[in-house]
Amino acid sequence: DQQVKQNSPSLSVQEGRISILNCDYTNSMFDYFLWYKKYPAEGPTFLISISSIKDKNEDGRFTVFLNKSAKHLSLHIVPSQPGDSAVYFCAATPYNQGGKLIFGQGTELSVKP
Amino acid sequence: DTGVSQDPRHKITKRGQNVTFRCDPISEHNRLYWYRQTLGQGPEFLTYFQNEAQLEKSRLLSDRFSAERPKGSFSTLEIQRTEQGDSAMYLCASSRQGYTGELFFGEGSRLTVL
Repeated sequence: DQQVKQNSPSLSVQEGRISILNCDYTNSMFDYFLWYKKYPAEGPTFLISISSIKDKNEDGRFTVFLNKSAKHLSLHIVPSQPGDSAVYFCAATPYNQGGKLIFGQGTELSVKP
Repeated sequence: DTGVSQDPRHKITKRGQNVTFRCDPISEHNRLYWYRQTLGQGPEFLTYFQNEAQLEKSRLLSDRFSAERPKGSFSTLEIQRTEQGDSAMYLCASSRQGYTGELFFGEGSRLTVL
């Protein structure tokens, strides 16, 4: 069963516009959520995270929103830049589960100049 | 470069052979993780170590898979009697204790089983 789902395999956005990547989860025990970015031939790199006690976390151009009642989180990138083109994975974990992250399938973002 | 390093980057083997991957974590990190990623999927958790102790293993890790971290530094992941279904990218990651969820991943070791 897929506990973390990213239903959009790909997203194309114009440079300078907003990119919105979505993620849904099913396990109510998850209480920490993360986004990772992956370029080809590289490992995933951490981007931003949010604890379940918050509904928003912002870091520069990146903002993550968490809607616990809907079991939904989203990553907003504003403004989008061509260098943001990558595969984005959302991940979740229950508190105190070490590094056992449950990843979604990923969304490939393409930012066109 | 003081990131997580993995070796080899690519391995092609025949079905039934044994393969071993090595991971060197960031030196001050005491937690080390192994994940597996297949095409079109996100990474799947396999196992993790805190220092030399293996604290959790996924049920994805069959008896043919074994991981070690003998001195709490580098780790090896061995797959015995490889099968075509083992073809995947094997990712290693490390982190400090006092877990915040931020794992530092290596570039991965790609296994192709013919």
